[in-house]
Amino acid sequence: QVTLRESGPALVKPTQTLTLTCTFSGFSLTTRGVCVSWIRQPPGKALEWLALIDWDDDKYYSTSLKTRLTISKDPSKKQVVLTMTNMDPADTATYYCARSQGSGFDPWGRGTLVTVSS
Amino acid sequence: EIVLTQSPGTLSLSPGERATLSCRASQSVSSSYLAWYQQKPGQAPRLLIYGASSRATGIPDRFSGSGSGTDFTLSISRLEPEDFAVYYCQQYGRSFTFGPGTKVDIK
Repeated sequence: QVTLRESGPALVKPTQTLTLTCTFSGFSLTTRGVCVSWIRQPPGKALEWLALIDWDDDKYYSTSLKTRLTISKDPSKKQVVLTMTNMDPADTATYYCARSQGSGFDPWGRGTLVTVSS
Repeated sequence: EIVLTQSPGTLSLSPGERATLSCRASQSVSSSYLAWYQQKPGQAPRLLIYGASSRATGIPDRFSGSGSGTDFTLSISRLEPEDFAVYYCQQYGRSFTFGPGTKVDIK
């Protein structure tokens, strides 16, 4: 069974750096074609893709956020980490990680709500 | 960046009725790399359709997808009570973008 679970702080202050961890099971991020993405969703709003890392350690970022994002992986720990710098209240959202293999994002983690407030 | 537009914003229907949701792309979506997701309140999105028309594992056959190029459709043949939710389209042919969503609510 493939599962993913997001973890990280529920509250961060403006200008701080956010670090989120996606811990997965049931698949390997060293298998050709396997990728993990981060997606976020502000309360009551639509989904926004943030970043992707693939089996070959290639990384892809949202054009609008790429200067603030870093994605990395530790296959041995079955984890993918996302850092986002200079957090702002507009970054308040539920952050999801999801697996992809070239046919959409499936499955998704349950998400973790991050609130940015002083 | 490919921008996706979904219509209508809200669709009010009764159980048993047919739902037709539209997703239009600002540029052609290569190789029909278009997916549909269902999201219920407080839950993560669930993949329904990939490749524009292929159902994901475990998805009932009342869900179907069609289209190519810039115009895509998700159809739900007969709405069940559990189908009332928000539906998002996503293109994954050139980077990744999601549409704004269509809410299907009970009339």
